[in-house]
Amino acid sequence: DVKVTQSSRYLVKRTGEKVFLECVQDMDHENMFWYRQDPGLGLRLIYFSYDVKMKEKGDIPEGYSVSREKKERFSLILESASTNQTSMYLCASSIPGRGTDTQYFGPGTRLTVL
Amino acid sequence: SQQGEEDPQALSIQEGENATMNCSYKTSINNLQWYRQNSGRGLVHLILIRSNEREKHSGRLRVTLDTSKKSSSLLITASRAADTASYFCATAPSRGYSSASKIIFGSGTRLSIRP
Repeated sequence: DVKVTQSSRYLVKRTGEKVFLECVQDMDHENMFWYRQDPGLGLRLIYFSYDVKMKEKGDIPEGYSVSREKKERFSLILESASTNQTSMYLCASSIPGRGTDTQYFGPGTRLTVL
Repeated sequence: SQQGEEDPQALSIQEGENATMNCSYKTSINNLQWYRQNSGRGLVHLILIRSNEREKHSGRLRVTLDTSKKSSSLLITASRAADTASYFCATAPSRGYSSASKIIFGSGTRLSIRP
C-alpha cells in the first residue's frame, strides 16, 4: 500500500513565523503535490513537483515556497506565516504517465496561525 | 478555479437508502475520479472512469460519465453509517503532458447517513 505521511496532524504558529510542513511518500512516486483545503472552496493546488528539484506553481502559490531535495520528501514552506494561511494542508503523490493520475493523500496538517 | 462542481453540496439520507451525487465539469477530460474524505482526514481514491467509458462499478459504488453533458454521477447503494463523509470528483483535463499529472478537484458533497 502507498503510504504518505505528514510531519504533524496539528500545528499552531504565530504570525510572522517561518513554518515547515513535511511530506514523505514511500512508493517512489515522481509527482508530489501540496493543497490547502478551506470550507466551501474545496482543494486548491499550491505547488507540485514532478521530479527532484523540479517544481511548478499551482493556483495559489503566493506566500508559499517548496523544496524537493529527495524524491520521497516534499516540503512546504510558509516564509512568514499570516492568519489567512490558517487552513488544512494536504500532501499527495502520484505516478506520472500511467493515464490514471490517481493521487494518494496524507492525513493532512491542520495549521492555525495566531 | 474549480473544474468540477458537485451537486448537492450536502445530502442527508436514512441508512439503507441509496445516495446519488453529481459532478459537472467544463473542459474535455482524460478521466474523472471520485474521492472520499472522512472528517479531518486525507482523501482516499474510490474509483476512476476514463473518458471512453460510460459506467463503472466497484462494490456498492456505481459511477456514470456523460462526456456530451460533461457530467458524472456517483451512486452509493444500501448506504451505511460508515459512508458518512465528503465526496469529491476530480478531473484530469486532456491537456499537454506538462499538466497531465494534475487533477482538479470540486468543492465536494457532504453526505450524512442517519441511523
